[in-house]
Amino acid sequence: DGGITQSPKYLFRKEGQNVTLSCEQNLNHDAMYWYRQDPGQGLRLIYYSQIVNDFQKGDIAEGYSVSREKKESFPLTVTSAQKNPTAFYLCASSTFGQRFQPQHFGDGTRLSIL
Amino acid sequence: GEDVEQSLFLSVREGDSSVINCTYTDSSSTYLYWYKQEPGAGLQLLTYIFSNMDMKQDQRLTVLLNKKDKHLSLRIADTQTGDSAIYFCAESINSGAGSYQLTFGKGTKLSVIP
Repeated sequence: DGGITQSPKYLFRKEGQNVTLSCEQNLNHDAMYWYRQDPGQGLRLIYYSQIVNDFQKGDIAEGYSVSREKKESFPLTVTSAQKNPTAFYLCASSTFGQRFQPQHFGDGTRLSIL
Repeated sequence: GEDVEQSLFLSVREGDSSVINCTYTDSSSTYLYWYKQEPGAGLQLLTYIFSNMDMKQDQRLTVLLNKKDKHLSLRIADTQTGDSAIYFCAESINSGAGSYQLTFGKGTKLSVIP
């Protein structure tokens, strides 16, 4: 079955530590996205990528970094510069270049601070 | 800038109809989407409507679009306890070079009372 896999489901970060969230898709989608979800805040876009080796900042990129070395993979690193990282992180993917371009989501990673 | 607004909570009795409302601001929206999020999970695409339509029906779901008022609604007929979830409205906007970004509302939490 095609889909998006996020891992781990739960992640804990110590103060001053960087952590990396994994996102893999086998839908052959060109575009991938990372969102942060806080209670009552909806989804906020962190980074997105429309093609391998290229990515753009979203609305809340500070304290985060990404890479897109392969079409299937778009890992997100939460750096120690992100002072309030506790949230639910969602990865999504979509086709690119068409008007009908719904995003398909993974099951999320919940990040907490120790 | 774009903004999508939804009421945060809705409570209905099992068997009644639920109506979830959404307003958006960008008149150049192409597609509008409804997503469902169950606890601890990612977003699942429920249905969508193209901006030149005013209604779309899909089994128990009816989407109504009033483009003049920039108002979108999702009606769920014969609401079941399994429909309890958060529902997100999203508008798709052409951000140039073949890219269509989604802007999400903050979500409406639907609670179904048995």
